[in-house]
Amino acid sequence: GDSVTQMEGPVTLSEEAFLTINCTYTATGYPSLFWYVQYPGEGLQLLLKATKADDKGSNKGFEATYRKETTSFHLEKGSVQVSDSAVYFCALSERTGNQFYFGTGTSLTVIP
Amino acid sequence: EPEVTQTPSHQVTQMGQEVILRCVPISNHLYFYWYRQILGQKVEFLVSFYNNEISEKSEIFDDQFSVERPDGSNFTLKIRSTKLEDSAMYFCASSFGGLNTEAFFGQGTRLTVV
Repeated sequence: GDSVTQMEGPVTLSEEAFLTINCTYTATGYPSLFWYVQYPGEGLQLLLKATKADDKGSNKGFEATYRKETTSFHLEKGSVQVSDSAVYFCALSERTGNQFYFGTGTSLTVIP
Repeated sequence: EPEVTQTPSHQVTQMGQEVILRCVPISNHLYFYWYRQILGQKVEFLVSFYNNEISEKSEIFDDQFSVERPDGSNFTLKIRSTKLEDSAMYFCASSFGGLNTEAFFGQGTRLTVV
């Protein structure tokens, strides 16, 4: 079945450090891939998405590239800020209206 | 910007009581979902709803759970007889549908069963 495996947290970085959060997936078809972010006390917000192999999703300085050969969708940011502190979820969806499969979430804390 | 809204933000209930969690999806969306997140665990799919019927449900969504779209704008999740293990954050989501469209999530309702 479909699943998402995400890097264990928590992750603590200093401001302006480079961020990578690993995500790999298992799917029977050709899923769309997503990163959602959950800020403290808030719901899940879409951060970025990619819908086919080699697509790069980007938003707010975050990027992730859909790698079919390695079944990965790693999240990266070149220089994190304190305001990026949140929980990040990798997710996939295979069909119209189909359920989203989420990873376990990775908690990121950025310290000044 | 349109958003999914959920009420209440926090509900405390006694074991065995019925609860109804309410959601107002984005108005032109066609697919509706409930997810839950037990503290410290994964976000888990419960059910999806399309064209006034359940389109998919997980093993978690047993006979104690039901969903309804009573009036064309609200989307509710009912738990008939709550158990301690139902304590979780419950997220409603909606999507327009079509391939590759993302789901938009509400802020969640934290359900505490005591």
